Amino acid sequence: KAGVTQTPRYLIKTRGQQVTLSCSPISGHRSVSWYQQTPGQGLQFLFEYFSETQRNKGNFPGRFSGRQFSNSRSEMNVSTLELGDSALYLCASSPGGAAAYEQYFGPGTRLTVT
Amino acid sequence: ELKVEQNPLFLSMQEGKNYTIYCNYSTTSDRLYWYRQDPGKSLESLFVLLSNGAVKQEGRLMASLDTKARLSTLHITAAVHDLSATYFCAVVTNFGNEKLTFGTGTRLTIIP
Repeated sequence: KAGVTQTPRYLIKTRGQQVTLSCSPISGHRSVSWYQQTPGQGLQFLFEYFSETQRNKGNFPGRFSGRQFSNSRSEMNVSTLELGDSALYLCASSPGGAAAYEQYFGPGTRLTVT
Repeated sequence: ELKVEQNPLFLSMQEGKNYTIYCNYSTTSDRLYWYRQDPGKSLESLFVLLSNGAVKQEGRLMASLDTKARLSTLHITAAVHDLSATYFCAVVTNFGNEKLTFGTGTRLTIIP
């Protein structure tokens, strides 16, 4: 079974630009969550999508948004980039059912904002 | 608000020694996870602990959960260099909610 894939793996953007990151979950998984990892703040939850609906949202400004498609692939978008958005962005895939516990992480997208 | 604390933050230990990483959390939890992260890499799932008294072991790593004390431990036995990594615990509070709240991580360095 193929794992979680994220594209692109590396990205360099300029302040003020916007960026879209993509995550393809494991086949059959319906839940996709996004996390931001920085040296200062650690791992922080951004949002979770389940069956195309945002089920949970972390404490990030509205510049951070996401969506999920009918094939469970998910995208997150960051508008008006700031230097502090430089981070490793990880997505996690889960079956999403009541008895499904495993969460599998993708390789991440490393975003650098200059 | 759920808080997850790990200690120590940094741990340097010699090969062959035993040590324990602690993870405390502040509210009732449905699940607790342990992950490993190598530098520049993603998170690798180690254990999922679901109930009070749960104990899981894989190689030189053993994780346990005490839900009454809101405490999980990751015990390392006879450490080897390959175990050098950052270890995170993470907690999920509700079924139907996949949000993971992570601890600060413990950076483990095994010295030959």
